[in-house]
Amino acid sequence: DQQVKQNSPSLSVQEGRISILNCDYTNSMFDYFLWYKKYPAEGPTFLISISSIKDKNEDGRFTVFLNKSAKHLSLHIVPSQPGDSAVYFCAASASRDDKIIFGKGTRLHILP
Amino acid sequence: KAGVTQTPRYLIKTRGQQVTLSCSPISGHRSVSWYQQTPGQGLQFLFEYFSETQRNKGNFPGRFSGRQFSNSRSEMNVSTLELGDSALYLCASGNQGASTDTQYFGPGTRLTVL
Repeated sequence: DQQVKQNSPSLSVQEGRISILNCDYTNSMFDYFLWYKKYPAEGPTFLISISSIKDKNEDGRFTVFLNKSAKHLSLHIVPSQPGDSAVYFCAASASRDDKIIFGKGTRLHILP
Repeated sequence: KAGVTQTPRYLIKTRGQQVTLSCSPISGHRSVSWYQQTPGQGLQFLFEYFSETQRNKGNFPGRFSGRQFSNSRSEMNVSTLELGDSALYLCASGNQGASTDTQYFGPGTRLTVL
């Protein structure tokens, strides 16, 4: 049973436009959510996180929105740049349970 | 600060063999987690070690085991390899723990089982 779902395996967005990556979760105990970015032949790198006490966290071009009632979070990248082309993993954890559950990832292609 | 290092980077083994992968965390980090990445399943949690103790374990068979040394370096062992074990194995380190702290990933070890 997948507790963290990224239903879009890939997404193509024009350079300069907004990229929106979506993630759904099923476990209501999750209280910490993260996004990681992965380039080929490299390990994932941390991008941004959000605690369940917030509904929005912003860091430069990256904003994560959390909708707890819908068990849904999204990552917005504005404006999208060529270097943003990568695989993005959504992840979630319950603070009393020390493991992070990852989604399967969404491959983002930024088109020139 | 040096990042997380994993050795070897690439490994080819045959079915039935065993393999040991190594992970050196960022200096000062006490938590090391291991993940398996495959195209179909994404990133799946294997286990986490904190101060030499296994703190959490994912849903993998007992053929997958690990340990952590007093210097926080960690090893992962897979015995009786199966074709389905072919994957990228990633380790990540953090200060406090997988769920409460940003994790920093190594580049991974690409294991191919023939």
